[in-house]
Amino acid sequence: TQLLEQSPQFLSIQEGENLTVYCNSSSVFSSLQWYRQEPGEGPVLLVTVVTGGEVKKLKRLTFQFGDARKDSSLHITAAQPGDTGLYLCAGSYAGNNRKLIWGLGTSLAVNP
Amino acid sequence: GAGVSQTPSNKVTEKGKYVELRCDPISGHTALYWYRQSLGQGPEFLIYFQGTGAADDSGLPNDRFFAVRPEGSVSTLKIQRTERGDSAVYLCASSLGGQGGTEAFFGQGTRLTVV
Repeated sequence: TQLLEQSPQFLSIQEGENLTVYCNSSSVFSSLQWYRQEPGEGPVLLVTVVTGGEVKKLKRLTFQFGDARKDSSLHITAAQPGDTGLYLCAGSYAGNNRKLIWGLGTSLAVNP
Repeated sequence: GAGVSQTPSNKVTEKGKYVELRCDPISGHTALYWYRQSLGQGPEFLIYFQGTGAADDSGLPNDRFFAVRPEGSVSTLKIQRTERGDSAVYLCASSLGGQGGTEAFFGQGTRLTVV
């Protein structure tokens, strides 16, 4: 059973398009993190969200944590080829915030 | 060091052999994590160290897997009697630990291939 479901699993778009990636769970998380991983590299943290309803922006990336802290989304505006990579969400539970539960990731390809 | 360092970067071994994978965390980071990532999947938690002790080893798949961190810095993941299903990228990450924040910095991983 996958505790964190990410969708879509694969996404191929043209440069300049917008996209949204979803991370859903039936569990409540105390915090949720988004990472980006490039081939041959380890994941790199993009953002951490901790408050239900929280919205964080990182340049063209907008992250939202659901009101019930069970889901999150990542929206990219005007995607660029440099955004290509594997986007992973990971959540932690209250009382065990060191052990991250990972989604399977969304593989994004932005074509020039 | 500047980042988390993992060695070797690639390891090919025969089924049934013993392997050791090394992780050098960022200096001063007390928390260290091992993950395993199969192709097309997210990282799978294996074990978490806080200092020298294994605070959570619930992700180790079976008793063939063992990890140590004797001095609270470098960690070694040990796999006995390797099986083809152990083939994966093994990722190590470190963080400040304690109240210092949960942001984990990952190494580039060790790609283990069991033939």
